[in-house]
Amino acid sequence: QSALTQPRSVSGSPGQSVTISCTGSSSDVGGYNYVAWYHHHPGKAPKLMIYDVSNRPSGVPDRFSGSKSGNTASLTISGLQAEDEADYYCCSYAGTYWVFGGGTKLTVL
Amino acid sequence: QVQLQQWGAGLLKPSETLSLTCAVYGGSFSGYSLSWIRQAPGKGLEWIGEVDHSRGTGFNPSLKGRVTISVDTSNNQFSLKMTSVTAADTAVYYCARGGLNWGQGTLVTVSS
Repeated sequence: QSALTQPRSVSGSPGQSVTISCTGSSSDVGGYNYVAWYHHHPGKAPKLMIYDVSNRPSGVPDRFSGSKSGNTASLTISGLQAEDEADYYCCSYAGTYWVFGGGTKLTVL
Repeated sequence: QVQLQQWGAGLLKPSETLSLTCAVYGGSFSGYSLSWIRQAPGKGLEWIGEVDHSRGTGFNPSLKGRVTISVDTSNNQFSLKMTSVTAADTAVYYCARGGLNWGQGTLVTVSS
């Protein structure tokens, strides 16, 4: 199976908004409302930021929001903060398994 | 507070079997997806497999039948076995419960 497609990097200044896209196919992103987003610092455990496309776990700031249109899911981070700098991964259900995106490095300028 | 503690051999030779165990403390074990994920050096996250209370068992097709996940409900533990490892299986392996709670990660190195 192929990894979902994410931009390699995005950047923004503190206070700005950024959006990270995650493109798959009708067999994964487009076929199920099971898309999750993870925040990850290498060497640490990933942290779940969004599940089921647009739901936030308890404790995740409402600056983080998720959406989906067709075969593309998106994570938007508004009011960027320095602590948001990390790698972000999308993950989608694909029928009998899950598939991750290649990851996006977010730099806060 | 839910905590996941994982352990297993960190150095394997090619063709050996990788074996990792993850224990769930402080929270419900059943009713959640129990997953294994890995990250090879310099690479992204890769989903390995899961046992889910409603979806059943699923595995990454690219691992071609080398993976099994077993569950020990009496001890709140689940385990990963991966046979015939190669250098390409060198990675940090994580266990996870429901995507929300994660183990600390175990570096597994495959080298002759």
